[in-house]
Amino acid sequence: EIVLTQSPGTVSLSPGERATLSCRASQTIDRNYLAWYQQKLGQAPRLLIYGASSRATAIPDRFSGSGSGTDFTLTISRLEPEDFALYYCQQYGDSPITFGQGTRLEIK
Amino acid sequence: QVQLQESGPGLVKPSQTLSLTCTVSGDSIVSGSYFWSWIRQSAGKGLEWIGRIHSSGSTHYNPSVKSRVAISRDTSKNEFSLRLDSLTPADTAVYYCARGLPSERFDPWGQGTLVTVSS
Repeated sequence: EIVLTQSPGTVSLSPGERATLSCRASQTIDRNYLAWYQQKLGQAPRLLIYGASSRATAIPDRFSGSGSGTDFTLTISRLEPEDFALYYCQQYGDSPITFGQGTRLEIK
Repeated sequence: QVQLQESGPGLVKPSQTLSLTCTVSGDSIVSGSYFWSWIRQSAGKGLEWIGRIHSSGSTHYNPSVKSRVAISRDTSKNEFSLRLDSLTPADTAVYYCARGLPSERFDPWGQGTLVTVSS
């Protein structure tokens, strides 16, 4: 199965700053089938990005995804207070579907 | 607006069988080309995809649980269900149901239900 490794484990930033989260796959992800999710405490994950770079419905344009092959990045251009949460990547190019272990984005 | 809601017991004994149901509103589980999935989240293993049933009725499971899992559906109630046998404490997790869009990104998710395996 494809193992996804997210880095850093935790990142501390201030509102207004730029966040860059990384997701590295153990092998090439077919058709760049890579998604990003946001999860807040006590809530289910919410789809942010799919196909590595396409924003899901109603997701603000400060969220963007990039990358291909084995290296992918989620960028939040200007952090809002509501953006501090857990972020997960997920690959759906190969079975079984797998998730990264998550990056915690906390307020500095 | 599509909504999913999990239901089932919160506490199950080791070696017993877990049965959970996901009730879907705002969409039909037999239309489109969607994958109706179960995913769990535990402190030890993070997010783990368990398996799914396609709108056609075909199923597919994670090899990690394949020998003891079954996903079925009741089209008259617009529900799909998870059965997981031979439970151990390692199966303790929050269980989510989710709609897998074509190519299996998940949107939306249910709110999740905590299942604890303990005697």
